[in-house]
Order: sequence, then C-alpha cells, then structure tokens
Amino acid sequence: EVQLVESGGGLVKPGGSLRVSCEASGFNSSDYSMNWVRQAPGKGLQWVSSISGSGIYKYYADSVRGRFTITRDNAKNSLFLQMSSLRAEDTAIYYCARAWGSAGYFDLWGQGALVTVSS
Amino acid sequence: EIVMTQSPATLSVSPGERATLSCRASQSVSRDVAWYQQKPGQAPRLLIFGASTRAPDIPPRFSASGSGTEFTLTISSLQSEDLAVYYCQLYTNWPPRIFGQGTKLEIK
Repeated sequence: EVQLVESGGGLVKPGGSLRVSCEASGFNSSDYSMNWVRQAPGKGLQWVSSISGSGIYKYYADSVRGRFTITRDNAKNSLFLQMSSLRAEDTAIYYCARAWGSAGYFDLWGQGALVTVSS
Repeated sequence: EIVMTQSPATLSVSPGERATLSCRASQSVSRDVAWYQQKPGQAPRLLIFGASTRAPDIPPRFSASGSGTEFTLTISSLQSEDLAVYYCQLYTNWPPRIFGQGTKLEIK
C-alpha cells in the first residue's frame, strides 16, 4: 500500500527539541521531493519545509528557518524534521506530504503527528 | 509573495444542492492551482490539480475551473460526506508554498 506514516510527536517544553519522522511505503521516496505541512489547532494549513529527492536542496518557511532542519534517509524511505528552540506557536499537527513530479502539488499525505509545546 | 484568498469562509448548503467555492490569487498564476479536502479529524486529500483535473478516485460531482487569478471548485450535488474544509494551493512559484485560508463547507 502506498502510504506515509508519521511518528515522534509529543509534548515538549518551550525552548526544547523534538524530531518527527515520516516513513514512506509502497513507493520509492527518493523519486519525489517531500514536504512538511503543519496545522495549528483550529487553523489552516501552513507549509513548513521541503526537500528535494536527492536531499541536496532544502527550503524553509521564514517562521522556522534556523530552528528546524529537514533531512531524509532514502535508504530507509524516511523523512525527518528536527525541531529546536520550540515555541508555543509551533504547536500543531505536522503532516508529511509527497510532491508529485516537478509540478509540486501534494498528492499523498500522512495522518499527521501532534506536537505540543507547553510548560 | 502571492496570496491566495478563499471565499466564503463558511458555506452552508443543503444536500443535493450545488456548492461553489472560490479562490483568488493576488497575481496571475496560470493554472497551477490545486484543491484539497480535509474532513474532520483527517489529513488533507488532493482533489484537483492543474486547476481542473480531478485526482484519481475523486467523484465526478467535484469539478473545478479557472486560470489567471480566479479559480472555482464546484460540488454539483452535495452529499453529507462532503462536510469538510477545502483549501486551494498555488503549487508553483515556491518557496514558500502557499495555501488559501480554507472554506468550511457545512451541510444544512
């Protein structure tokens, strides 16, 4: 089955760090750029970060640049988001999403991982 | 940075009726717009790409049109399971990748 499964969410204190992961199955994830999109409670979708299929090119939203790092391990069909210096406003469900080809619309989404930043 | 503005914020439609959702870009984006459906408690799902092409397994009651700055998603005969928030997205001219703020579709 073609799917994305996130893990690693949880409760972390402000200023702390957390890593969320996304495991792809049913397809070769190195053929696709991968993305993180988050959704704060009761809010809309916000793009966080993207990484090319090779892992060479990385892009970040201004709100997370310098604090979050996107990486991937193509041998393990896995995507990661290392989050540090976390703030209350980073509280959200974090979805990984596959971008289709060079066009870049998101054709496959994971179920999401909840990250809560609170003291 | 291009802004995608959706209207209305909330739409209430009776079952069997037509629902029309709008998305406006702050500048021309050709046809590089996707629509997503997010049902309560679920992840988003791709409905439409290229402004008007249905994604696989999307029912034909969902249709979309537009180009340039004006885009429309239409649900021809609303069903109860269509209760969701619908987002448009500009998927080129990135970063950043831009989503509209969403339209919440309620069933009367």
